[in-house]
Amino acid sequence: EVQLLESGGGLEQPGGSLRLSCAASGFTFSNYAMSWVRQVPGKGLEWVSSISSSGTNIYYADSVKGRFTVSRDNSKNTLYLQMNSLRAEDTALYYCAKYAVAGTVSFDPWGQGSLVTVSS
Amino acid sequence: DIQMTQSPSSVSASVGDRVTIACRASQGISSSLAWYQQKPGKAPKLLIYAASSLQTGVPSRFSGSGSGTDFTLTISSLQPEDFATYYCQQADSFPLTFGGGTKVEIK
Repeated sequence: EVQLLESGGGLEQPGGSLRLSCAASGFTFSNYAMSWVRQVPGKGLEWVSSISSSGTNIYYADSVKGRFTVSRDNSKNTLYLQMNSLRAEDTALYYCAKYAVAGTVSFDPWGQGSLVTVSS
Repeated sequence: DIQMTQSPSSVSASVGDRVTIACRASQGISSSLAWYQQKPGKAPKLLIYAASSLQTGVPSRFSGSGSGTDFTLTISSLQPEDFATYYCQQADSFPLTFGGGTKVEIK
């Protein structure tokens, strides 16, 4: 069974940093691109970042570019999101998600999410 | 950036009803569109990819159609477990973008 388990969320002050991790199991992690998607509770979905299977190709939303860094360790089957210079508007539930089907950019499955709260 | 507009934002329907949700892209995206279902407190679940391909394990009452700028998700006979919020997502180019969501509620 494919599983994605996020961790590392919590309460952080504006300007601070957090690192999210997403531990993957049940599939060959190194064969799949991965993404981060966030959701303010009660609101819609916002794509944050994607990284190719090898880590060579990386994409960011403009809202996080220059502040967030996505990476992966294929030897540890783990995806990361380093979040720096956090702002109140970064408060959200952060999901990691696996690319579902080769040749398409759709996500399945998703993890359960890790809540990030940015507040003083 | 490609903007995705869903309509309606909410719909009230009864079990057994046929429900149709629309999604419009601000520019042509070929068939690069996905649909997700999200229930309260749960992560989204992929229903349809490439506009009309049913994800493995998804019931056949769900179907997707369209290409270019206009797309549709149809639930042919609404079941109790289908009451949820549905999102479209363009998969044509980065930045990836989602529609605002359509909440399917019990009438």
